[in-house]
Formats: sequence, C-alpha cells, structure tokens
Amino acid sequence: AQTVTQSQPEMSVQEAETVTLSCTYDTSENNYYLFWYKQPPSRQMILVIRQEAYKQQNATENRFSVNFQKAAKSFSLKISDSQLGDTAMYFCAFMSLQGGSEKLVFGKGTKLTVNP
Amino acid sequence: GAGVSQSPRYKVAKRGQDVALRCDPISGHVSLFWYQQALGQGPEFLTYFQNEAQLDKSGLPSDRFFAERPEGSVSTLKIQRTQQEDSAVYLCASSLTSPRDLITGELFFGEGSRLTVL
Repeated sequence: AQTVTQSQPEMSVQEAETVTLSCTYDTSENNYYLFWYKQPPSRQMILVIRQEAYKQQNATENRFSVNFQKAAKSFSLKISDSQLGDTAMYFCAFMSLQGGSEKLVFGKGTKLTVNP
Repeated sequence: GAGVSQSPRYKVAKRGQDVALRCDPISGHVSLFWYQQALGQGPEFLTYFQNEAQLDKSGLPSDRFFAERPEGSVSTLKIQRTQQEDSAVYLCASSLTSPRDLITGELFFGEGSRLTVL
C-alpha cells in the first residue's frame, strides 16, 4: 500500500519570504499523480498544484511550484512571496493509476503560518 | 449550488446513536468520495461512487458504516451505533469525471461534517 509522509508538522514564514514544505511517498508503481492541497481554517480543501509522475518537468502554478524527485520519491512544495492568505494546513496526496481505485492517499499535513 | 454542500456542519451524538450525514455534490458531477479526517490527521478514504454505483468501499472501517447514492447525485453516509472513535470530520468530494482525468477530474471538497460522539 502507498504511504505519504510529511515530516514537518508545523512551519512558519515571514510575509513575502519563500518556504518549502516536504513530502515523501512510498510506491512500487511507475505512473501516478501527486497533489498538494490547501485547507484553510474552517474552510474546504482546495487543490494547489498537481504533478504527473511521467512528466519530468516540475509543475508550477503562479507562486507555487514543486520539486519532484521521482527516484528519491520526494515531492516538495515551494511557496514564493508568501502571503497572509497562505496560512493553512497543507496536505500532500498520492493517486495510483493502477487498479480500480481512484482514491487519494494523504499525508498528515503541515500547518503553515505566515507572519506579518 | 456553486460548490459541494454538506449537512449538518456539526453533529453531536451520544454513543450508540445512529447518525446520517448528507452530501450534495456539484450538479452533474459523476464521481463522489467520502473521507474521514480525525483531529490532527490527514483525510482517509472511506468510499467512492461513480454515479449511483459504489465502486470502492474498502475504506469503510466497519459494518456500522454505510453509504449510498441512489439517484447518482445526493449521497448519505450513515453510521450506526456510533462509538467515540467515530468522532471526526467527514469530508465529501466530487468531480465531473474520473479523478484520473486531469482535465475534468479535479476534486472539489465540501466543508465537512464534524461529528462528536460523547
């Protein structure tokens, strides 16, 4: 079974600075998707960015980018020019492309606080 | 509605009571998922529907948990004889197509139903 590990329970960053959130995963598969989701306090989870494992190019979405290291099974999220609205829980997630299941496997999350 | 709607937002139940949690997905969305999120943890998969068909229920923790989506839209998660370990936020998510389709499969989550079992 796949597992996702987020080793940083909490992180903080000053507004306008850059922060990197770590994620590692374990799988024997070659093709899969990886995601970062943001869960603001008392609000719904939203997709931040996603990466297809068969694409070597790292995904970027405005201030958000990933460092995908397939051999190391690492998928970190970099947030540039941090804003107060980035304060939230961030979850890394894995989706297998094999078999019938289309579920996401989530990590335990990293609580990010952006300080003014 | 504009997004995934869940009700009730908060539910307090006495141990042993039955509860029902409702999810209204975005109109037209084929795929619907239920996840359980315990305090301080990431969401854990419970079950998955494609239209009215329950394609995966491998995450349901016991036979006290039951989910249905009889007409392929609204879904209900029922928990019988609730236990304290059932206390969690129950998240519903829907997508227009299969989540494996990156063009149209983006998952949209509701705000969740927070269940507290006393």
